[in-house]
Amino acid sequence: GAGVSQSPSNKVTEKGKDVELRCDPISGHTALYWYRQSLGQGLEFLIYFQGNSAPDKSGLPSDRFSAERTGGSVSTLTIQRTQQEDSAVYLCASSLADRSTNEKLFFGSGTQLSVL
Amino acid sequence: DAKTTQPPSMDCAEGRAANLPCNHSTISGNEYVYWYRQIHSQGPQYIIHGLKNNETNEMASLIITEDRKSSTLILPHATLRDTAVYYCIVRVAGGNYGGATNKLIFGTGTLLAVQP
Repeated sequence: GAGVSQSPSNKVTEKGKDVELRCDPISGHTALYWYRQSLGQGLEFLIYFQGNSAPDKSGLPSDRFSAERTGGSVSTLTIQRTQQEDSAVYLCASSLADRSTNEKLFFGSGTQLSVL
Repeated sequence: DAKTTQPPSMDCAEGRAANLPCNHSTISGNEYVYWYRQIHSQGPQYIIHGLKNNETNEMASLIITEDRKSSTLILPHATLRDTAVYYCIVRVAGGNYGGATNKLIFGTGTLLAVQP
């Protein structure tokens, strides 16, 4: 079956422009996560959705970053007035988030964002 | 979530077992040990997880010490395609439904280089 799909795979933008990154989770997965990974660094948590609600936004680095999720499915991460330090790979993951002990996160291949 | 400590890098000969250690001395009784790996230019991939018993699946084995303060991920017959960064993570499992603690906190992991 289809995995987590992210688009675009690559995005080059100019400093100061707004960008939108899209994530299509695995069908039926109620939990959705956004992470980012700067070059040579580990993964940095940004935000977690359960359904359309975001109970944990603690990782969003500034108010230029926002995310929404509609219909309990597709999520969009928006970065306003991009800065060069926003350049990174933005990764999305989804999971069933049921109450079993076998919860696994499934990651997409990410969007490589380059801010010039 | 408890902090984990992993060596930054390890080498392994192709066909031999790769044993990746992880220390989690402050782990709580309800926290599981999860392992993910990230092959270059891809999103992380779930490998295995466990609570206190040793676990085995088609990818790897997980050995957890009796005091649960450390664990070892074993790839029984490493191949070149196993070259990746391996992340050891401890977290509460079971899908804290609607709660704010579901996120995985990734450290810097261990870069495993499988040599031909």
